[in-house]
This record gives sequence, structure tokens and C-alpha cells, in this order.
Amino acid sequence: EAQVTQNPRYLITVTGKKLTVTCSQNMNHEYMSWYRQDPGLGLRQIYYSMNVEVTDKGDVPEGYKVSRKEKRNFPLILESPSPNQTSLYFCASSKLAGTGLVGLFFGSGTQLSVL
Amino acid sequence: KQEVTQIPAALSVPEGENLVLNCSFTDSAIYNLQWFRQDPGKGLTSLLLIQSSQREQTSGRLNASLDKSSGRSTLYIAASQPGDSATYLCAVLPDSGGYQKVTFGTGTKLQVIP
Repeated sequence: EAQVTQNPRYLITVTGKKLTVTCSQNMNHEYMSWYRQDPGLGLRQIYYSMNVEVTDKGDVPEGYKVSRKEKRNFPLILESPSPNQTSLYFCASSKLAGTGLVGLFFGSGTQLSVL
Repeated sequence: KQEVTQIPAALSVPEGENLVLNCSFTDSAIYNLQWFRQDPGKGLTSLLLIQSSQREQTSGRLNASLDKSSGRSTLYIAASQPGDSATYLCAVLPDSGGYQKVTFGTGTKLQVIP
């Protein structure tokens, strides 16, 4: 089954404790990206990756890191989480065709609470 | 910078009514436009994908149209049901080669009353 898998589903942590949210896709998609969703602000893109070792900032990259060492994995790293990073996070992937994305597939989301 | 607006922000209709959700975007250099459904606290389910070369796409009771020149897409839901209650989001996928920032609208929250 084609899918994007995010882990964990729920995460509660404390300020300053480094954490990683994993994302993996089994569709051989070139493009992967991370979003956060906050009430009243909608979905905002954090980082995206066009392929292995190619990453770029989205609209809200501050406080986050990513890496793309393998095509299937795109982890999101919060090196020193703060309460304003409490949010619902989504990973998505897509095949690239020509100059655009064919269509986004989303993971189930990670609800992060930073105390 | 691409800006995507969805109107109305919320909508409450009686069961059986036909309804239209709107998505407007400011930059017409789009590759595809995708409509999603999101239930509270859940992930995004893709409903319809319209390629920039298409004018509309249909799936069951759903029909989405795209007019790049006017910067608009509409999602038409026929014979609405209580199970259609959810938030509907549109996403603009840019035609930009190596620069692939995806922009979402803030959504329309739909309630279908039995």
C-alpha cells in the first residue's frame, strides 16, 4: 500500500530537549516536505526537499532542521524545542514531473506539545 | 508571493443541499491545484487533483473546476450529506521548476445538518 508514515503520532516534551519526528514514504517520490498546522493560521510549509541531499526553506523554517540522506526518509529535527513549536505537524511527498508536483500524499500527522 | 484565499471560512447547510466552496490564488503560474478534506485532529485526504491544463475534474458527488486566468477554483458538492462535514482545503502546487513552495488556503469548515 502506498503511504507516508510519520512517527510518533503524539509527542509531549519539555523545552530544550532535542527531538526528531520521522517521515518515510514507499512511493519512490522525489519531493518531500514538512508542514505545521495551527488554528487560524492554516498549513504552513517548514522545509521541502526536491531529492536526496537537496533541501530548501519553506515559509516558517526557524527552529527546525531537516536532512535527506535517503530518498524515502525525511526527518524533522527540533534541536531546542520551545513552546511556540507546539503544533500539529504533517509530512507529505509527491512525484516530480517536469516543472511541478504531480500531487501531495500526506502522513497522518504528529501532535507535538512542548511544555 | 502566492496567496491563497478560501471563502467562506465556515458554512452550515441542511442535508441534501448542493454547495460551492471557493479557492482564489494570486499567482497564475500553477502546475496543479489539489483539494483536500480534513476531519478534526486528523490528516489530509486528497479529494481531487486538477492539472493546470484541465478545466475540471469529477469524482462521485464532487466536481472541481479551475480557471487559471482569473485565479479561481471551485469545489462543488452535490446532494450534501452529514458525512461531508469536515474542513476543506485547497493547495496550489506551483509551476516553478526547482522552487516548490506549496501554498494552502486556510480552509472552509463545512457542517451538514441532518
